[in-house]
Amino acid sequence: QKEVEQDPGPLSVPEGAIVSLNCTYSNSAFQYFMWYRQYSRKGPELLMYTYSSGNKEDGRFTAQVDKSSKYISLFIRDSQPSDSATYLCAMSTTSYDKVIFGPGTSLSVIP
Amino acid sequence: GAVVSQHPSRVICKSGTSVKIECRSLDFQATTMFWYRQFPKQSLMLMATSNEGSKATYEQGVEKDKFLINHASLTLSTLTVTSAHPEDSSFYICSASRIDGSGNTIYFGEGSWLTVV
Repeated sequence: QKEVEQDPGPLSVPEGAIVSLNCTYSNSAFQYFMWYRQYSRKGPELLMYTYSSGNKEDGRFTAQVDKSSKYISLFIRDSQPSDSATYLCAMSTTSYDKVIFGPGTSLSVIP
Repeated sequence: GAVVSQHPSRVICKSGTSVKIECRSLDFQATTMFWYRQFPKQSLMLMATSNEGSKATYEQGVEKDKFLINHASLTLSTLTVTSAHPEDSSFYICSASRIDGSGNTIYFGEGSWLTVV
């Protein structure tokens, strides 16, 4: 079993839809959870950073962490064509430790 | 915001030669930097953790003699691909760890495309 699993997609939604992206993980020691957005041929861009369980909201983005289920989610409201990218979940055990990435989900928002 | 810069963004080299990629943290000091490689349509695979002033820690399966990492200052880490071969062609990305009042945040560079011909 991989440490971090993520549906690779591709996921295609109409503009304005709510997008739900998810990851599951196996290492219960993970405490720091991140979501990155990566456009084609570019480095990843940090979207959300969450410690332990709970929700965090930033504009159209909401990150949820359920440590009991080892499950994290990223919700995008009012999706825009500019949101079309690959979304990578990532996590680490401590704030100083290496980050383990999921394989990424490819998202296309259709105008 | 924090910026991590990589150079060069694209490089083509001949098989058997060496190529160096630089990773700089532009507005913060980074005691720890990470090097990843990413093949097309695949996720980032951690190659090594670079610690300022000490030897890098390599992930299992990564040849430390082939991928030389030097973290000589708090703002610069370099990755040198030695005796490059076409199978080394990939997207190499660095990240730097910034520690402030909010905790530890990792920022990525724009990546470097390496093509070995």
